Amino acid sequence: AQSVTQLDSQVPVFEEAPVELRCNYSSSVSVYLFWYVQYPNQGLQLLLKYLSGSTLVKGINGFEAEFNKSQTSFHLRKPSVHISDTAEYFCAVSDSGNTPLVFGKGTRLSVIA
Amino acid sequence: GAGVSQTPSNKVTEKGKYVELRCDPISGHTALYWYRQSLGQGPEFLIYFQGTGAADDSGLPNDRFFAVRPEGSVSTLKIQRTERGDSAMYLCASSLNGRGTDTQYFGPGTRLTVL
Repeated sequence: AQSVTQLDSQVPVFEEAPVELRCNYSSSVSVYLFWYVQYPNQGLQLLLKYLSGSTLVKGINGFEAEFNKSQTSFHLRKPSVHISDTAEYFCAVSDSGNTPLVFGKGTRLSVIA
Repeated sequence: GAGVSQTPSNKVTEKGKYVELRCDPISGHTALYWYRQSLGQGPEFLIYFQGTGAADDSGLPNDRFFAVRPEGSVSTLKIQRTERGDSAMYLCASSLNGRGTDTQYFGPGTRLTVL
């Protein structure tokens, strides 16, 4: 069965500093990878997804992620964060033939002014 | 256009009672998913519909949980004899065709509290 590990439960970072949120998945087959963001009292919103092709994926709000097959990782990065980026971030994976998403436990990003 | 909507936004009930949670997917989306999110955890899959039929219900925790989608649009998640452990945020998502490449669009969720 698929599993996703988000190595950090909380990440505090100062405004305008860079951030990396780590995600590792367990699979030896083709996978699709997703990052979702959950703002307080809102539903999950897709940030970006990797399906195939270029390993560097750009998403909304200046976020990007890099797929690394050898390390089974899909880390999320942003070069300069804003206060408005404070939220919970979830990494998720699905198999090529199985559509329900398997989520990690989430990383709470807190941006400090 | 309208996104996925869920009603009610909050539901408080007593142990042993029956509850129904409703999901209205994006118009035209054939796939519909239910997930459950406990405090401090990521969403966990419950059941997936393709059209009117449940394509995968392997995530339902026990036979107290049941879901329907009779006309291939709105879905209702039904929980019988609720227990305190059922307290969680229940999320609904829909996607265009149910393929692994499709984006799943999530509703705001229903927070269920069982006293």
